[in-house]
Amino acid sequence: DIQMTQSPSSLSASVGDRVTITCRASQGITNYLAWFQQKPGKAPKSLIYAASSLQTGVPSKFSGSGSGTDFTLTISSLQPEDFATYYCQQYHTYPFTFGPGTRVDIK
Amino acid sequence: QVQLVQSGAEVKKPGASVKVSCKASGYTFTAYYIHWVRQAPGQGLEWMGWINPNSGGTKYAQKFQGRVTMTRDTSISTAYMDLSSVRSDDTAVYYCARDVGGWNYGDWGQGTLVTVSS
Repeated sequence: DIQMTQSPSSLSASVGDRVTITCRASQGITNYLAWFQQKPGKAPKSLIYAASSLQTGVPSKFSGSGSGTDFTLTISSLQPEDFATYYCQQYHTYPFTFGPGTRVDIK
Repeated sequence: QVQLVQSGAEVKKPGASVKVSCKASGYTFTAYYIHWVRQAPGQGLEWMGWINPNSGGTKYAQKFQGRVTMTRDTSISTAYMDLSSVRSDDTAVYYCARDVGGWNYGDWGQGTLVTVSS
Protein backbone atom coordinates (compact mmCIF):
# COMPACT_ATOMS: atom_id res chain seq x y z
CA ASP A 1 0.00 0.00 0.00
CA ILE A 2 1.06 3.58 -0.58
CA GLN A 3 1.87 5.26 2.73
CA MET A 4 0.92 8.89 3.16
CA THR A 5 2.62 11.09 5.70
CA GLN A 6 1.75 14.62 6.74
CA SER A 7 3.70 17.32 8.49
CA PRO A 8 3.31 18.81 10.89
CA SER A 9 0.95 16.54 12.82
CA SER A 10 -0.43 19.64 14.51
CA LEU A 11 0.12 23.35 14.47
CA SER A 12 -1.07 26.41 16.31
CA ALA A 13 -1.74 29.53 14.31
CA SER A 14 -3.43 32.89 14.59
CA VAL A 15 -6.26 34.37 12.59
CA GLY A 16 -4.79 35.91 9.47
CA ASP A 17 -1.75 33.61 9.36
CA ARG A 18 -0.67 31.83 6.20
CA VAL A 19 -0.58 28.09 6.87
CA THR A 20 1.10 25.36 4.84
CA ILE A 21 0.63 21.63 5.37
CA THR A 22 2.81 19.07 3.62
CA CYS A 23 1.81 15.62 2.44
CA ARG A 24 4.24 13.01 1.12
CA ALA A 25 3.52 9.76 -0.65
CA SER A 26 5.74 6.69 -0.32
CA GLN A 27 5.79 6.38 -4.12
CA GLY A 28 4.87 8.57 -7.03
CA ILE A 29 1.17 9.29 -7.45
CA THR A 30 1.37 11.91 -10.24
CA ASN A 31 -1.39 14.34 -9.24
CA TYR A 32 -3.93 11.85 -7.83
CA LEU A 33 -4.12 13.67 -4.51
CA ALA A 34 -7.04 15.15 -2.61
CA TRP A 35 -7.32 17.28 0.51
CA PHE A 36 -10.13 17.19 3.07
CA GLN A 37 -11.11 19.30 6.04
CA GLN A 38 -12.83 17.73 9.03
CA LYS A 39 -14.30 19.45 12.06
CA PRO A 40 -15.08 17.55 15.28
CA GLY A 41 -18.16 15.37 14.99
CA LYS A 42 -18.65 16.21 11.33
CA ALA A 43 -18.11 14.42 8.05
CA PRO A 44 -15.02 15.35 6.05
CA LYS A 45 -15.37 18.04 3.42
CA SER A 46 -13.55 17.94 0.12
CA LEU A 47 -11.31 20.96 -0.52
CA ILE A 48 -8.94 20.05 -3.34
CA TYR A 49 -8.79 17.25 -5.91
CA ALA A 50 -6.21 16.42 -8.58
CA ALA A 51 -3.62 18.06 -6.30
CA SER A 52 -4.54 21.63 -7.20
CA SER A 53 -8.17 21.83 -8.37
CA LEU A 54 -10.50 23.61 -6.01
CA GLN A 55 -13.70 21.81 -5.17
CA THR A 56 -16.85 23.69 -6.16
CA GLY A 57 -17.85 26.14 -3.47
CA VAL A 58 -14.54 26.07 -1.62
CA PRO A 59 -13.06 29.56 -1.06
CA SER A 60 -9.96 30.53 -2.98
CA LYS A 61 -7.94 31.02 0.22
CA PHE A 62 -7.33 27.27 -0.07
CA SER A 63 -4.82 26.12 -2.64
CA GLY A 64 -2.97 22.94 -3.39
CA SER A 65 0.20 22.17 -5.26
CA GLY A 66 2.65 19.40 -5.99
CA SER A 67 3.03 16.26 -8.03
CA GLY A 68 4.85 12.98 -7.79
CA THR A 69 5.46 12.43 -4.09
CA ASP A 70 5.35 15.87 -2.47
CA PHE A 71 2.27 18.03 -2.03
CA THR A 72 1.18 21.07 -0.08
CA LEU A 73 -2.07 22.59 1.08
CA THR A 74 -1.94 26.31 1.78
CA ILE A 75 -4.48 28.47 3.56
CA SER A 76 -3.65 32.02 2.64
CA SER A 77 -5.27 33.79 5.57
CA LEU A 78 -6.54 31.62 8.38
CA GLN A 79 -10.04 32.38 9.61
CA PRO A 80 -11.85 31.06 12.72
CA GLU A 81 -13.86 28.59 10.64
CA ASP A 82 -10.64 27.02 9.31
CA PHE A 83 -9.59 25.52 12.62
CA ALA A 84 -9.97 21.81 11.89
CA THR A 85 -8.07 18.66 10.96
CA TYR A 86 -6.83 18.33 7.39
CA TYR A 87 -6.23 15.05 5.61
CA CYS A 88 -4.61 14.22 2.29
CA GLN A 89 -5.59 11.14 0.28
CA GLN A 90 -4.00 9.40 -2.69
CA TYR A 91 -6.23 7.78 -5.26
CA HIS A 92 -3.53 6.65 -7.68
CA THR A 93 -3.34 3.05 -6.47
CA TYR A 94 -5.69 0.74 -4.62
CA PRO A 95 -6.28 0.82 -1.75
CA PHE A 96 -6.79 4.54 -1.64
CA THR A 97 -5.00 5.76 1.48
CA PHE A 98 -5.19 8.81 3.69
CA GLY A 99 -2.55 10.68 5.59
CA PRO A 100 -2.77 10.71 9.39
CA GLY A 101 -4.07 14.26 9.49
CA THR A 102 -2.84 17.68 10.55
CA ARG A 103 -4.71 19.42 13.33
CA VAL A 104 -4.84 23.20 13.06
CA ASP A 105 -5.81 24.99 16.23
CA ILE A 106 -5.84 28.49 17.64
CA LYS A 107 -2.65 29.95 19.06
CA GLN B 1 -29.75 19.85 -3.33
CA VAL B 2 -27.68 16.69 -3.10
CA GLN B 3 -28.13 14.75 0.11
CA LEU B 4 -26.77 11.47 1.39
CA VAL B 5 -28.67 10.37 4.48
CA GLN B 6 -27.30 7.40 6.39
CA SER B 7 -29.00 5.00 8.75
CA GLY B 8 -28.77 5.33 12.50
CA ALA B 9 -26.23 4.14 15.01
CA GLU B 10 -25.79 0.42 15.58
CA VAL B 11 -24.49 -1.67 18.44
CA LYS B 12 -23.33 -5.16 17.54
CA LYS B 13 -21.76 -8.07 19.34
CA PRO B 14 -18.48 -9.51 18.07
CA GLY B 15 -19.05 -11.92 15.22
CA ALA B 16 -22.29 -10.32 14.07
CA SER B 17 -22.95 -8.46 10.84
CA VAL B 18 -23.90 -4.83 10.39
CA LYS B 19 -25.56 -3.17 7.41
CA VAL B 20 -25.38 0.59 6.92
CA SER B 21 -27.54 2.36 4.37
CA CYS B 22 -26.94 5.58 2.45
CA LYS B 23 -30.01 7.12 0.80
CA ALA B 24 -29.27 9.55 -2.00
CA SER B 25 -31.42 12.41 -3.23
CA GLY B 26 -31.07 15.47 -5.41
CA TYR B 27 -29.24 13.78 -8.28
CA THR B 28 -29.38 10.75 -10.57
CA PHE B 29 -28.33 7.95 -8.23
CA THR B 30 -26.99 5.66 -10.95
CA ALA B 31 -24.70 8.31 -12.42
CA TYR B 32 -22.13 8.51 -9.63
CA TYR B 33 -20.09 5.97 -7.71
CA ILE B 34 -20.53 5.72 -3.94
CA HIS B 35 -17.46 5.20 -1.75
CA TRP B 36 -17.37 4.03 1.86
CA VAL B 37 -14.84 5.43 4.33
CA ARG B 38 -14.59 4.73 8.02
CA GLN B 39 -13.04 6.45 11.01
CA ALA B 40 -12.29 4.75 14.31
CA PRO B 41 -12.71 6.90 17.43
CA GLY B 42 -10.00 9.54 17.57
CA GLN B 43 -8.31 8.09 14.50
CA GLY B 44 -7.87 8.94 10.84
CA LEU B 45 -9.82 8.03 7.74
CA GLU B 46 -9.77 4.62 6.07
CA TRP B 47 -11.09 3.89 2.58
CA MET B 48 -13.12 0.69 2.31
CA GLY B 49 -14.24 0.55 -1.31
CA TRP B 50 -16.76 1.74 -3.86
CA ILE B 51 -19.85 0.63 -5.69
CA ASN B 52 -21.03 1.63 -9.12
CA PRO B 53 -24.78 2.10 -8.59
CA ASN B 54 -25.45 1.70 -12.30
CA SER B 55 -23.89 -1.74 -12.79
CA GLY B 56 -23.54 -2.90 -9.20
CA GLY B 57 -19.84 -3.39 -9.77
CA THR B 58 -17.62 -3.02 -6.72
CA LYS B 59 -14.02 -2.56 -5.65
CA TYR B 60 -13.00 -3.34 -2.10
CA ALA B 61 -9.84 -2.64 -0.15
CA GLN B 62 -7.94 -5.90 0.24
CA LYS B 63 -8.13 -5.50 4.01
CA PHE B 64 -11.92 -5.96 3.90
CA GLN B 65 -12.15 -8.58 1.15
CA GLY B 66 -14.35 -11.44 2.26
CA ARG B 67 -16.00 -9.41 5.03
CA VAL B 68 -17.52 -6.44 3.22
CA THR B 69 -20.31 -6.41 0.67
CA MET B 70 -21.50 -3.23 -1.01
CA THR B 71 -24.86 -3.31 -2.74
CA ARG B 72 -27.48 -0.90 -3.98
CA ASP B 73 -31.20 -0.68 -4.60
CA THR B 74 -31.75 1.67 -7.50
CA SER B 75 -35.53 1.73 -6.94
CA ILE B 76 -35.01 3.66 -3.72
CA SER B 77 -31.65 5.33 -4.55
CA THR B 78 -29.92 3.65 -1.65
CA ALA B 79 -26.48 2.14 -1.26
CA TYR B 80 -25.59 -0.36 1.44
CA MET B 81 -22.41 -1.45 3.16
CA ASP B 82 -22.57 -4.81 4.91
CA LEU B 83 -19.68 -5.80 7.18
CA SER B 84 -19.63 -9.31 8.59
CA SER B 85 -17.82 -10.99 11.48
CA VAL B 86 -17.34 -7.65 13.19
CA ARG B 87 -14.85 -7.25 15.98
CA SER B 88 -13.99 -4.52 18.42
CA ASP B 89 -11.62 -2.77 16.05
CA ASP B 90 -14.49 -2.31 13.59
CA THR B 91 -15.95 0.22 16.01
CA ALA B 92 -16.00 3.38 13.91
CA VAL B 93 -18.06 6.00 12.16
CA TYR B 94 -18.85 4.80 8.66
CA TYR B 95 -19.34 7.39 5.92
CA CYS B 96 -20.65 7.17 2.40
CA ALA B 97 -19.43 9.69 -0.16
CA ARG B 98 -20.51 10.51 -3.69
CA ASP B 99 -17.78 10.42 -6.31
CA VAL B 100 -18.54 13.33 -8.64
CA GLY B 101 -15.92 12.20 -11.10
CA GLY B 102 -12.24 11.29 -11.05
CA TRP B 103 -12.42 9.96 -7.48
CA ASN B 104 -13.51 13.36 -6.27
CA TYR B 105 -15.76 13.08 -3.21
CA GLY B 106 -18.17 15.93 -3.72
CA ASP B 107 -20.71 15.01 -1.05
CA TRP B 108 -20.69 12.99 2.16
CA GLY B 109 -23.28 11.36 4.34
CA GLN B 110 -23.52 12.38 7.98
CA GLY B 111 -21.88 9.20 9.20
CA THR B 112 -23.13 6.14 11.08
CA LEU B 113 -21.54 5.07 14.35
CA VAL B 114 -21.11 1.33 14.63
CA THR B 115 -20.11 0.09 18.05
CA VAL B 116 -18.92 -3.48 18.50
CA SER B 117 -19.06 -4.62 22.08
CA SER B 118 -19.83 -7.77 23.99
